[in-house]
Amino acid sequence: AQSVTQLGSHVSVSEGALVLLRCNYSSSVPPYLFWYVQYPNQGLQLLLKYTSAATLVKGINGFEAEFKKSETSFHLTKPSAHMSDAAEYFCAVSDTGNQFYFGTGTSLTVIP
Amino acid sequence: DGGITQSPKYLFRKEGQNVTLSCEQNLNHDAMYWYRQDPGQGLRLIYYSQIVNDFQKGDIAEGYSVSREKKESFPLTVTSAQKNPTAFYLCASSIAPQGALTKNQPQHFGDGTRLSIL
Repeated sequence: AQSVTQLGSHVSVSEGALVLLRCNYSSSVPPYLFWYVQYPNQGLQLLLKYTSAATLVKGINGFEAEFKKSETSFHLTKPSAHMSDAAEYFCAVSDTGNQFYFGTGTSLTVIP
Repeated sequence: DGGITQSPKYLFRKEGQNVTLSCEQNLNHDAMYWYRQDPGQGLRLIYYSQIVNDFQKGDIAEGYSVSREKKESFPLTVTSAQKNPTAFYLCASSIAPQGALTKNQPQHFGDGTRLSIL
């Protein structure tokens, strides 16, 4: 079965600092990878998805993620954190496209 | 604007009572999903449906039931058999994958229903 591991359930960064949220996947076949963001009491919003066209994927709100097959990783980064980035972030993987497998989430706190 | 509507936003259940959560989408998506979200556990799949009048159990289907009579609608019933129903429930939909070129379609989510026990 597919799975993703998000290292660090809570991450705190200062406003303007680099954001790095980690995601490692397990897959015996080329995976389909996604990052979602969730604000309190809301659903999940797609940040970006890996399409195999490029290893560096750019998403919304200045986020990007790099697919590294050798490390089975798909870490999410943003060069400069903003207060509005405070939220829960989920990494997800799908192999067949029918089912998604979500990580347990990383809560991002941005310190002013 | 197309999207997914979940209602109600907040729901309270008495012991022994069944409750139904509504999920409607106007995205013309074939596939629909129900997830349960608990703190620190991510999202867990309850049921999913790839086509009208067909659905499959997910990882935690016990105590839940669904129907898919219309493409736009996928209601979830939390039965009295579900002993710990307090959670945040999320409905999602996506284009059903038809082949390799459509397998990376994302899921689109509603804003959720928070269910609590009285």
